[in-house]
Amino acid sequence: DQQVKQNSPSLSVQEGRISILNCDYTNSMFDYFLWYKKYPAEGPTFLISISSIKDKNEDGRFTVFLNKSAKHLSLHIVPSQPGDSAVYFCAASEWGNFNKFYFGSGTKLNVKP
Amino acid sequence: ETGVTQTPRHLVMGMTNKKSLKCEQHLGHNAMYWYKQSAKKPLELMFVYSLEERVENNSVPSRFSPECPNSSHLFLHLHTLQPEDSALYLCASSQEQTQYFGPGTRLLVL
Repeated sequence: DQQVKQNSPSLSVQEGRISILNCDYTNSMFDYFLWYKKYPAEGPTFLISISSIKDKNEDGRFTVFLNKSAKHLSLHIVPSQPGDSAVYFCAASEWGNFNKFYFGSGTKLNVKP
Repeated sequence: ETGVTQTPRHLVMGMTNKKSLKCEQHLGHNAMYWYKQSAKKPLELMFVYSLEERVENNSVPSRFSPECPNSSHLFLHLHTLQPEDSALYLCASSQEQTQYFGPGTRLLVL
C-alpha cells in the first residue's frame, strides 16, 4: 500500500506564476519530508526538506508547507520559471530511520514561457 | 552535488544474460541504496547497505543480487531477468537524512 501519494501526475503553469505541488501521506510516524526534482535522463536531485517540528521551510523561490493534522505537504515555487519544468517527487521517512524512505509517484511540472 | 555515478547508463539484455550495474559515490557517505523506478510508479526501494552491511532487502527476487565491496561502491548483479524488470535503476547514497542519487541505468529486458 502506497504510504506517500502524489495525486496529480502533471501540472501546467505559466511562467512567473505560482506552482503548487501536493503530497499526502498516511503514516503518522513520518516526521521528515523531502522534495526531489528530476530532469529526464538524470537522477533525482534534492530540493528542500522539512521536519515535523516546523510547518514551513523556505529556500529562495521554493517553500515547503507541512500540515501534520491533514498529513499533507505542499511545495510552492514562486515565481515559476521554464527551467523548473521537471518531475517532482516527495518523500517521507521517520527521523533516525533513514534507511527507509517512501516516495510518491511524482508530478510532472511544465512551466510555459 | 553530482558525486554519485552509475554505469552503464543504458543496458539491453536478454532473459538468459548475466550483467552487473555499478554505482560509485565520491561523497564519503556511509549508506548506499538501490531503487527501481517503473513508469508512473513511486521509486521502489530494493536494497540498503549501511557501513557495507546489508540492512534492508525489500522482498526483491533473487534474480537481483547486490554487492557492496566497500563504502564507495555498490553493484547490482542481474541474471535471468524478466521483461517486467525493465525499468530505471537508481543508486543513491546518504550520510544521514538526505539521499543523493546517481543518473540511473535504463534497463530493457527482451
